[in-house]
Amino acid sequence: AQSVSQHNHHVILSEAASLELGCNYSYGGTVNLFWYVQYPGQHLQLLLKYFSGDPLVKGIKGFEAEFIKSKFSFNLRKPSVQWSDTAEYFCAVNEPNNDMRFGAGTRLTVKP
Amino acid sequence: DTEVTQTPKHLVMGMTNKKSLKCEQHMGHRAMYWYKQKAKKPPELMFVYSYEKLSINESVPSRFSPECPNSSLLNLHLHALQPEDSALYLCASSQERGLVSYEQYFGPGTRLTVT
Repeated sequence: AQSVSQHNHHVILSEAASLELGCNYSYGGTVNLFWYVQYPGQHLQLLLKYFSGDPLVKGIKGFEAEFIKSKFSFNLRKPSVQWSDTAEYFCAVNEPNNDMRFGAGTRLTVKP
Repeated sequence: DTEVTQTPKHLVMGMTNKKSLKCEQHMGHRAMYWYKQKAKKPPELMFVYSYEKLSINESVPSRFSPECPNSSLLNLHLHALQPEDSALYLCASSQERGLVSYEQYFGPGTRLTVT
């Protein structure tokens, strides 16, 4: 079964800074990749997903992620963060006939 | 409508109580999931239903008992829980579960406290 690693436990940024959150997975076959966000006191929401095609995926709220197959990575980026982006971010991987596995999560704090 | 609803939002129960958590979706999804999430941790999969049949029980203690009455509803029956079972219980659904993967839609969760 696949495992998912998120390198950063807690990231603190100032508003307008650029963001990149790392995500690596271990499975070598075909996978589907997701980033979910959990705002304080709210439920998990899908930010973006990659199934196939263009490895640069654009999601909601200005987020994007790039799938690099050779590096088994799916890093999340945003050019300019806002205070409202403060949340927990989870990378998740799903392989066929298997179930979604989540990374440990990265807590993002954006200082106003 | 991409909404998964869960009731109740909060639940406090004693270790001898019996209670149930409820989940509902009207997206026509045929796979539904129960997750347990502790504070500052990722969701952990507990149960998966696919076409109203239990597909996976991730070695969950028998004090948790899932039920899928129909394709839109999912229940989690709780009995004789322990304080360490206190957590946020999340329900999710996806179009299907199988050779093709689909994104999961999550409900807001039930915050359970066992006293």
